[in-house]
Amino acid sequence: EPEVTQTPSHQVTQMGQEVILRCVPISNHLYFYWYRQILGQKVEFLVSFYNNEISEKSEIFDDQFSVERPDGSNFTLKIRSTKLEDSAMYFCASTPIGGGSTEAFFGQGTRLTVV
Amino acid sequence: AQSVTQPDIHITVSEGASLELRCNYSYGATPYLFWYVQSPGQGLQLLLKYFSGDTLVQGIKGFEAEFKRSQSSFNLRKPSVHWSDAAEYFCAVGARGANMLTFGGGTRLMVKP
Repeated sequence: EPEVTQTPSHQVTQMGQEVILRCVPISNHLYFYWYRQILGQKVEFLVSFYNNEISEKSEIFDDQFSVERPDGSNFTLKIRSTKLEDSAMYFCASTPIGGGSTEAFFGQGTRLTVV
Repeated sequence: AQSVTQPDIHITVSEGASLELRCNYSYGATPYLFWYVQSPGQGLQLLLKYFSGDTLVQGIKGFEAEFKRSQSSFNLRKPSVHWSDAAEYFCAVGARGANMLTFGGGTRLMVKP
């Protein structure tokens, strides 16, 4: 069964450093997403991406964040200068089409720890 | 804007007992509703979804959920819980015209032998 894969599973970084979280969405899917879950809090939407551009983003997704699809298979989330409060589990997801009715397929997550 | 509330942060049930996890949503129109499960070290897996039609929906692993518009609820049920059901369960709502999901805070289910 096709799945979304994320690497690494756990990343530890120093405050102020840049990190790149990587995702390989399901190959025939067209929409890609990043969500995050701070420990003990809700899963929160960050950004959706379609046709090589951001289609929606939340208030959390500020100038520190960027997304990119550098090639035909990877989808990345970059945090330019990490803060302690960026520590969270980051989930990548993909859907074959857009719209709120479409089942999202999630990766297993990357746990980011900023020290 | 839509929102989702899962009133129970933790629930413990005995194996073989029935289960009901509560979910309440706030949305101005008929929502798209989902239940996801997250087992330790795993991603979020879809259990079931509701878009329209029959308000009782069946999902994988023996789960079902009932949409009740009058109560703005979408509670998840299972008649007999197995130890492997221990996980975190998330209710989510999708909005028409938007691509993202809004999640509830999750309910952690523990199963006693």
